Amino acid sequence: GAGVSQSPSNKVTEKGKDVELRCDPISGHTALYWYRQSLGQGLEFLIYFQGNSAPDKSGLPSDRFSAERTGGSVSTLTIQRTQQEDSAVYLCASSAGWGYTFGSGTRLTVV
Amino acid sequence: RKEVEQDPGPFNVPEGATVAFNCTYSNSASQSFFWYRQDCRKEPKLLMSVYSSGNEDGRFTAQLNRASQYISLLIRDSKLSDSATYLCVVSDAGNNRKLIWGLGTSLAVNP
Repeated sequence: GAGVSQSPSNKVTEKGKDVELRCDPISGHTALYWYRQSLGQGLEFLIYFQGNSAPDKSGLPSDRFSAERTGGSVSTLTIQRTQQEDSAVYLCASSAGWGYTFGSGTRLTVV
Repeated sequence: RKEVEQDPGPFNVPEGATVAFNCTYSNSASQSFFWYRQDCRKEPKLLMSVYSSGNEDGRFTAQLNRASQYISLLIRDSKLSDSATYLCVVSDAGNNRKLIWGLGTSLAVNP
C-alpha cells in the first residue's frame, strides 16, 4: 500500500485479556519495527524484523509480548494477559533502507 | 548516560524567530543521523537526514559534528506550523538499520 497501515486504531481491553495488533508495511519494505509510546514519553523499541533474519526481540518488556511477521509482510504484535501498564500507543514502522515510515499507531487502553 | 540526549524544552519562540536544537549521542561508531518531527498525538515523520557536510532543506539546516558527537537543527523564519516535538535519531552502532531515538525537544511557535 501507499503507507504503513495499522489496525485497530483504538483498542480498549480488560486487564488480563489478550490483544493482537496488526501492521501492514509498505510493499517491498524489508525492515519492520514495533515501538510503543506512553503519553508524553519517548519511543520505546520493542522488536525489529529484517528480511528472513531472526528478529531482534531485545526490546520486548516481558514474555507476555510476542510478534511475528508472516511472509515477510504483515506483522502481528500479541500481548497476553494485558496489564494497565501496557496502555500506550503502539507504533509500527517499515523501512527499505534509511529512514522509517510510521503507521498512525494503535492506541491501547487497558482498563 | 542516555544514548541520545536532547533538551526537552519547551522552546517558546515568536513567529519569524530562528531557533536551534542540539542533540548529543554517546556512541562514536554511529553512522546515520536524522531529525524527525512528531505532532501531538501523531506518529513521527522524517524531517531530514543529517549528513557529515551539513545539509539544508528550505528553512531547515542540519549539522553533524562527529568529533563532539552532536547534531544540530536550525529552523529559520519559524512558522506557527513548526510547533511540534523534534526527535533526534541516531543509528545503532552495531546495526545501522536500527535507530535510537531521543526523547524530543518541544517547540511552540507563538503568533
